[in-house]
Amino acid sequence: DAKTTQPPSMDCAEGRAANLPCNHSTISGNEYVYWYRQIHSQGPQYIIHGLKNNETNEMASLIITEDRKSSTLILPHATLRDTAVYYCIVRALIKAAGNKLTFGGGTRVLVKP
Amino acid sequence: GAVVSQHPSWVICKSGTSVKIECRSLDFQATTMFWYRQFPKQSLMLMATSNEGSKATYEQGVEKDKFLINHASLTLSTLTVTSAHPEDSSFYICSFSRGDTQYFGPGTRLTVL
Repeated sequence: DAKTTQPPSMDCAEGRAANLPCNHSTISGNEYVYWYRQIHSQGPQYIIHGLKNNETNEMASLIITEDRKSSTLILPHATLRDTAVYYCIVRALIKAAGNKLTFGGGTRVLVKP
Repeated sequence: GAVVSQHPSWVICKSGTSVKIECRSLDFQATTMFWYRQFPKQSLMLMATSNEGSKATYEQGVEKDKFLINHASLTLSTLTVTSAHPEDSSFYICSFSRGDTQYFGPGTRLTVL
């Protein structure tokens, strides 16, 4: 699976949009971009995933560049409860791979009042 | 999203004892599930992948005789840490694979004295 690069930390203002970048310049054509977050002392929570089209759900939006070498997770109105470590993961959907996820360091997001 | 539970949420034990952690999917059946562990201030590390009815596949460096995995049914998997030592103290997290997405349990914090 392709490696991802995320900033180690970022601060966001409560009520404002939070834009979390992720670089995945070695992504392959059959690899999806997944985002999870982990609030302190909890298990990771699935946020969103996409292949090449932008995606939106009730939690966030995922913007993937046309060349697919980077993406941005957008939390439209950050709240204090969005404070967490956000992980960007790239993986291929190959049944033989067993759906494994490889977690990197993630971005530690602190939402401030 | 899918609901996954773990029991217990935390456990403290003496060195040399064995500890069993249960992981259940509450609203779906999954043929594949995963066990991760997370040391303080580190990311999640995959320990093993298990398929219902067959033996688990362990990641390099994870001792299969120490970390016993039983994927007894499509909704239940157990991880037994045998003869636990202080260095096994960690946050253990399970996940079930549902379609293209993994859903994680809340985690079990193990402290070995």
